[in-house]
Amino acid sequence: DAGVTQSPTHLIKTRGQQVTLRCSPISGHKSVSWYQQVLGQGPQFIFQYYEKEERGRGNFPDRFSARQFPNYSSELNVNALLLGDSALYLCASIQEGLPMEQYFGPGTRLTVT
Amino acid sequence: AQTVTQSQPEMSVQEAETVTLSCTYDTSESDYYLFWYKQPPSRQMILVIRQEAYKQQNATENRFSVNFQKAAKSFSLKISDSQLGDAAMYFCAYRNTGGFKTIFGAGTRLFVKA
Repeated sequence: DAGVTQSPTHLIKTRGQQVTLRCSPISGHKSVSWYQQVLGQGPQFIFQYYEKEERGRGNFPDRFSARQFPNYSSELNVNALLLGDSALYLCASIQEGLPMEQYFGPGTRLTVT
Repeated sequence: AQTVTQSQPEMSVQEAETVTLSCTYDTSESDYYLFWYKQPPSRQMILVIRQEAYKQQNATENRFSVNFQKAAKSFSLKISDSQLGDAAMYFCAYRNTGGFKTIFGAGTRLFVKA
């Protein structure tokens, strides 16, 4: 069984640019969460999507947006990149039903210069 | 708001020995989950163990066990018979039952010496 996939593995962007990160959940999972992990810190929750609807949002500016497609894959978009957006972005595929187990992907390393 | 605190930035253990990683949390909820995740250099976050707050019995997964003290809001991870492959960042995490947001601590880096 394929696990959670994320693309790209890493990328480098310039301040002010826009970036799109992609995630494919485990087959059968309808929900994904996105997390930002700044170097040396724990992951911070950004969004959760279920059945293409936003179910929750963390404390991130409107420059961050996401969407989920009919096949349950998801994209995270970040506009007007800042140096502080440099981080590992993790996607988690969620198995519905308690305890709502999260299965994390390998992440996308974003560097903003 | 809920918080998770890991006060040990780094820990070191000799191979085959036992080590305990500490975690405290704060919440006003009575029903929640606590987790320990492992993140090796490969970056992939892996669930080590989960504890349901309503269960008094401490969770155990092979060499990994927890000491859950609900009144003290403490949730420590004990790794027995440490192996070189246990070297990683370990994150303590919290989530309300039925909630969508998982809150992570800052992590503890575990070194295992041969």
